[in-house]
Amino acid sequence: GENVEQHPSTLSVQEGDSAVIKCTYSDSASNYFPWYKQELGKRPQLIIDIRSNVGEKKDQRIAVTLNKTAKHFSLHITETQPEDSAVYFCAEGGGFKTIFGAGTRLFVKA
Amino acid sequence: DAGVIQSPRHEVTEMGQEVTLRCKPISGHDYLFWYRQTMMRGLELLIYFNNNVPIDDSGMPEDRFSAKMPNASFSTLKIQPSEPRDSAVYFCASRGLADTGELFFGEGSRLTVL
Repeated sequence: GENVEQHPSTLSVQEGDSAVIKCTYSDSASNYFPWYKQELGKRPQLIIDIRSNVGEKKDQRIAVTLNKTAKHFSLHITETQPEDSAVYFCAEGGGFKTIFGAGTRLFVKA
Repeated sequence: DAGVIQSPRHEVTEMGQEVTLRCKPISGHDYLFWYRQTMMRGLELLIYFNNNVPIDDSGMPEDRFSAKMPNASFSTLKIQPSEPRDSAVYFCASRGLADTGELFFGEGSRLTVL
């Protein structure tokens, strides 16, 4: 069945540094890879996604890369700010359902 | 649209009691999902519906859990009888068939079973 592994579980960076979160998936048929951000006590919200026909997508300070051969995808946040502190979830959506990774708790220290 | 609406936001109950969580998806969305979030297990997919029909309930933990979607604008998740290990935040989410794939989550229902 579908499975998404996410690392690290916790990440602490200095404000202004970059943060990278990595995920691997098992279902070769997966073709949609979203990333969600969940602030404390709030709902998860989509921040960026990528489909299998592209290798990279960027939106201001965040970017995602996808390696379909290796079944890896990553989230990159540059110039981190304190408001980036949250839990980030990768996910895969090969069919109609979305399966989430375990989450990465990001702390950005001012 | 007001987004996905869930109720109650918080529920505290005693072990053995029945719990009913409610969800109103975004109008026009064909898919509705129930997720459970805990520190230990993260975001688990419990069940999802397409056009009010349950498609995959393989994530429902056991027979104490049941979900229904009697019409396009309403779904319930019921736990009977509830147990302390059911304590979690339960999220409902919806998406449209023609959409990008983005899930729109409700604010969640925080359940505490004593």
